[in-house]
Amino acid sequence: AQKVTQAQTEISVVEKEDVTLDCVYETRDTTYYLFWYKQPPSGELVFLIRRNSFDEQNEISGRYSWNFQKSTSSFNFTITASQVVDSAVYFCALIGTYKYIFGTGTRLKVLA
Amino acid sequence: DADVTQTPRNRITKTGKRIMLECSQTKGHDRMYWYRQDPGLGLRLIYYSFDVKDINKGEISDGYSVSRQAQAKFSLSLESAIPNQTALYFCATSDRDRTGGELFFGEGSRLTVL
Repeated sequence: AQKVTQAQTEISVVEKEDVTLDCVYETRDTTYYLFWYKQPPSGELVFLIRRNSFDEQNEISGRYSWNFQKSTSSFNFTITASQVVDSAVYFCALIGTYKYIFGTGTRLKVLA
Repeated sequence: DADVTQTPRNRITKTGKRIMLECSQTKGHDRMYWYRQDPGLGLRLIYYSFDVKDINKGEISDGYSVSRQAQAKFSLSLESAIPNQTALYFCATSDRDRTGGELFFGEGSRLTVL
């Protein structure tokens, strides 16, 4: 069975603070892909990053960084120097055998 | 124009009514999906289709049916709507030829069943 757990339901931070969103996954597939999507208040879903199971290199894109650790089945997302525009719901997702499975999401509130 | 278009964007209906949500895409993708979003439950897969002749149930297909009229069109139907089907519905597509490719979502259809 596949499962994605985002234990943090809601996080509030003050602007310019760093924040890490946790994602833990379960899968029996040896080849799989992990994703993060952002859902701003306007409601659309925006793709942020894709990582395959053979690539454990961390990735940095501007203020965003991702830490993938197979040993702990985690794919955590860090926003450095958060901004109000980062306020959104963030979803972690997994695809193994064809089906995408989403976590329940973490609502991030960045306060000015 | 959006690559993945959902209609209607908002709909209010009454219990027992038949409702159809339509999705069309211009991305040329073979794979299409319907998801439902509820607060605190994330996105749950209702149905998915890998081509016109391939329809598969997702984790919450009861009470729903789908039709893949063409490669570019995938409709979701609620034969007899009930209040607990009130939710935000998303259509999505992905590229068959790119294993593990990301999902491209429509803008969502908000359905309220009274």
